[in-house]
Amino acid sequence: AQRVTQPEKLLSVFKGAPVELKCNYSYSGSPELFWYVQYSRQRLQLLLRHISRESIKGFTADLNKGETSFHLKKPFAQEEDSAMYYCALSGPPWQTGANNLFFGTGTRLTVIP
Amino acid sequence: DTAVSQTPKYLVTQMGNDKSIKCEQNLGHDTMYWYKQDSKKFLKIMFSYNNKELIINETVPNRFSPKSPDKAHLNLHINSLELGDSAVYFCASSQVPGVAGGYTFGSGTRLTVV
Repeated sequence: AQRVTQPEKLLSVFKGAPVELKCNYSYSGSPELFWYVQYSRQRLQLLLRHISRESIKGFTADLNKGETSFHLKKPFAQEEDSAMYYCALSGPPWQTGANNLFFGTGTRLTVIP
Repeated sequence: DTAVSQTPKYLVTQMGNDKSIKCEQNLGHDTMYWYKQDSKKFLKIMFSYNNKELIINETVPNRFSPKSPDKAHLNLHINSLELGDSAVYFCASSQVPGVAGGYTFGSGTRLTVV
């Protein structure tokens, strides 16, 4: 069964420090991985997807199939990065059916000034 | 126990029909949401209910109407279904509006309009 695990519910770092939000997944096929972010009182929004191999707002995430991980990283945290971050997994409909997007439970990142 | 459950998981229907998707949460959360996931996997919020009060209503057609019989349920009713309504719909809940407690999402309902 598909599963996305975010082991840290809360994560606090100082401004300028590196930050890593962990995400591990369980999936038998070839998944597509995403990071979603929700800033205070704003809608949940897509931050980045692994197939794009892009850097958004200084964040990057590399899919490691050997470790089944998709950790989100940023070398220097900023105060405006404080938000809720969700890792999500998707697979082809014929593999995952209607449950096309699986979310982790989220990690609240707080960047301390 | 499933925290946020949606039924059905699959829904295939013809244009013009009226259908409902049900959502129930057993977390005691105060706020429930409906999201629509488009073909690019972007989640767009449709509705939010807090203590039976609609607090977010994005620019969705009035063919979509949320119905909340109690705090634990938020159903989505869709009239006169159109091809463009085909998508995956996610229900979610949180303790308070916004991000304070984080969201718990349902597993999604794939709606296909033919």
